[in-house]
Amino acid sequence: DVKVTQSSRYLVKRTGEKVFLECVQDMDHENMFWYRQDPGLGLRLIYFSYDVKMKEKGDIPEGYSVSREKKERFSLILESASTNQTSMYLCASSGQINQPQHFGDGTRLSIL
Amino acid sequence: DQQVKQNSPSLSVQEGRISILNCDYTNSMFDYFLWYKKYPAEGPTFLISISSIKDKNEDGRFTVFLNKSAKHLSLHIVPSQPGDSAVYFCAAISGGTSYGKLTFGQGTILTVHP
Repeated sequence: DVKVTQSSRYLVKRTGEKVFLECVQDMDHENMFWYRQDPGLGLRLIYFSYDVKMKEKGDIPEGYSVSREKKERFSLILESASTNQTSMYLCASSGQINQPQHFGDGTRLSIL
Repeated sequence: DQQVKQNSPSLSVQEGRISILNCDYTNSMFDYFLWYKKYPAEGPTFLISISSIKDKNEDGRFTVFLNKSAKHLSLHIVPSQPGDSAVYFCAAISGGTSYGKLTFGQGTILTVHP
């Protein structure tokens, strides 16, 4: 069974802090994704990675960066957190094209 | 620009009846469509998918219909059960995208009353 694990379920940080969200998958998937979910907006793609050290911008990359040093781990970085980055963050992974993405349980991030 | 739209924010249905969730898309390059279900405090879980070469796909109580000319798909749940109460997202993949990048709709909250 595919397991995508996000390091924190809830996180509270202050404006201006550098924030790291971690995600690990155990299925040797090539592709990994970071989304944020906001009411009325659905899931919006921030960044994705199709291989180690490779990354591509999604639809809303501003204010974020990512790191993929190992195949199983994909990190989302908020360089200088702002209140409009308060959201639910979801990590996902997938194997071949048209295979469904498997999601972690999310990190509820609050920026004060 | 919302390329995948779920125009009904919520739907309420009686147990045992049919639930119909709708989704419209604008990008004609989309060629694979998925439905996900999400419970509070959990990540979305994959429910059912359909390729653009088909117009129907069934899996137990769940059936997805695709009308390419109308750029419309729908998810039918028959019979609906209280455990089906969740947020449902439709999503689409664009042909030529090698990495399975998904574009999601806004979601529809389904409530099934006992």
